[in-house]
Amino acid sequence: NAGVMQNPRHLVRRRGQEARLRCSPMKGHSHVYWYRQLPEEGLKFMVYLQKENIIDESGMPKERFSAEFPKEGPSILRIQQVVRGDSAAYFCASSPPSHLGEQYFGPGTRLTVT
Amino acid sequence: AQRVTQPEKLLSVFKGAPVELKCNYSYSGSPELFWYVQYSRQRLQLLLRHISRESIKGFTADLNKGETSFHLKKPFAQEEDSAMYYCALRGTGANNLFFGTGTRLTVIP
Repeated sequence: NAGVMQNPRHLVRRRGQEARLRCSPMKGHSHVYWYRQLPEEGLKFMVYLQKENIIDESGMPKERFSAEFPKEGPSILRIQQVVRGDSAAYFCASSPPSHLGEQYFGPGTRLTVT
Repeated sequence: AQRVTQPEKLLSVFKGAPVELKCNYSYSGSPELFWYVQYSRQRLQLLLRHISRESIKGFTADLNKGETSFHLKKPFAQEEDSAMYYCALRGTGANNLFFGTGTRLTVIP
């Protein structure tokens, strides 16, 4: 099992561009979570998805951020019109249906907005 | 509101010395507590969870509901224990984990 995969590992965008971050969960895991880590802070929950459904997006900023987990393919976190404050490490995690707290993390995508 | 506090950003101990990483939480119900670890150039991984009551790599953590703490302990630190440690909480019925800000442990040879 390859584990949770994220790509790209590093992403540089200019202000105003769009950022797309991808996450492939572990095999057999149907639950995906996105977290953001700002410098000197802990991981902050953004959104929780199951296949084709957003279950909890209480941690997502109201504007410019969206997430999806289609029937086929990876989960996508999309940030439109990026600003410098979006620079952070974005982590994806997945869990099996029976152990929601036991989350397996990807290596993260480090987004830098110039 | 839930809160996880790790009061020490940095902690250094000598090899063979005992180590304790502190974690205090605030939550009105009965949470599930976890310790996650991130070794250098590796991904964040689960170290242990309180309901398992197990020892992983010599580490243990006991949930103290009276003191609302979940401190991580190891009697004899090893150099390979040097890493970033995060305490995390999952509320009753919650989908996500709530993380502390982490403690960087350095074990001095």
